[in-house]
Amino acid sequence: DAKTTQPPSMDCAEGRAANLPCNHSTISGNEYVYWYRQIHSQGPQYIIHGLKNNETNEMASLIITEDRKSSTLILPHATLRDTAVYYCIVRTGKEGGKLIFGQGTELSVKP
Amino acid sequence: NAGVTQTPKFQVLKTGQSMTLQCAQDMNHNSMYWYRQDPGMGLRLIYYSASEGTTDKGEVPNGYNVSRLNKREFSLRLESAAPSQTSVYFCASSGHQNTEAFFGQGTRLTVV
Repeated sequence: DAKTTQPPSMDCAEGRAANLPCNHSTISGNEYVYWYRQIHSQGPQYIIHGLKNNETNEMASLIITEDRKSSTLILPHATLRDTAVYYCIVRTGKEGGKLIFGQGTELSVKP
Repeated sequence: NAGVTQTPKFQVLKTGQSMTLQCAQDMNHNSMYWYRQDPGMGLRLIYYSASEGTTDKGEVPNGYNVSRLNKREFSLRLESAAPSQTSVYFCASSGHQNTEAFFGQGTRLTVV
């Protein structure tokens, strides 16, 4: 399983876009990039995932570089409720692919 | 639709006691997972079951056993609890290829 590297913490002003980077330089061709977040000590919440194309849903956008060695999660208009730990995970597309969590990025959204 | 349900939510054990953490999902998912999360740390995979009838070790399997009882249920057993196993335990499940995993709300276990 490819490893990921994320900054340990970031700040963002409320209402501004939050851009969370992730490096996954050893990603292989059949591995997807997943993003989860964890608010306080609740169970992790799925945000978005992608293989090589950029993806967007109601929560966020995922931008994957052409060489797939890094990606950025974008929260377009961050709110105080987006304060959480964000995890970038690389996972195989096959059934039962493991989700291996790193340390994540602690995002603080400030008024 | 309850999703992933874990029981109990809280538990205090004495060193050496045994217990089983229960996890059930109602989404007809094939794969299930057990994680532990220590304070200030990310989640670490203990065991997983890619499909009914199979189980595999994750990153930190020592001191634990699992049983995939049927497609819905995946239990985690501590045979002889140790203070180092004080943690929050999360269960998760996922469906077929390329689908997201859903997590339970956790079991907070303290071993004294």
